[in-house]
Amino acid sequence: EVQLSESGGGLVQHGGSLRLSCAASGFTFSRYAMSWVRQAPGKGLEWVSTIGGSGSTTSYADSVKGRFTISRDNSNNTLYLLMNSLRAEDTAVYYCGRERPNMGDIDYWGQGTLVTVSS
Amino acid sequence: ETVLTQSPDTLSLSPGERATLSCRASQTVSRSYLAWYQHKPGQAPRRLIYGASSRATGIPDRFSGSGSGTDFTLTISRLEPEDFAVYYCQQYASTPLTFGGGTKVEI
Repeated sequence: EVQLSESGGGLVQHGGSLRLSCAASGFTFSRYAMSWVRQAPGKGLEWVSTIGGSGSTTSYADSVKGRFTISRDNSNNTLYLLMNSLRAEDTAVYYCGRERPNMGDIDYWGQGTLVTVSS
Repeated sequence: ETVLTQSPDTLSLSPGERATLSCRASQTVSRSYLAWYQHKPGQAPRRLIYGASSRATGIPDRFSGSGSGTDFTLTISRLEPEDFAVYYCQQYASTPLTFGGGTKVEI
């Protein structure tokens, strides 16, 4: 059974940093691209970043480019999102998701972790 | 960037009724690389449809997707109580991946 479990969320001050983790199980982690998607309070879903299976390719939404870094540890089946220079508008529930091979739709999602940035 | 506009914002229906949700793209979504997701509060989103019309594993056949180009539709043939949720479309034909603003299906 595919399982994704996010952790690392919490309360952080404006300008601060936080690292999110997503532990994966039930599939061959290195074969899948993985993504982070967020949902701000009262808003819809927003794609944040994607990383290829090997970790060599990454892409970011303009809203986080230069501040967030996506990475993965395939030996430990874990996805990361390092968030620097956090702003109030980064407050959201952050979900990790597994992408369907060679596509971009997300076939499995985690339950999410809440990040709150105080001003 | 491909902007997805969903309508209506809210759909007020009763169990047993048919729901028709629309997703319009600002440019052609090539190869019908469009997915639909269901999202309930406090839960992980759930993929319903990919490739505009292919049902994901385990999704009941009352859910169907159609459309191509710039106009796509999610239809729920007969609403069950558990179907009341927010529904999002997503295009994955081009980066950045984008989601529509969502349609809330409420009783």
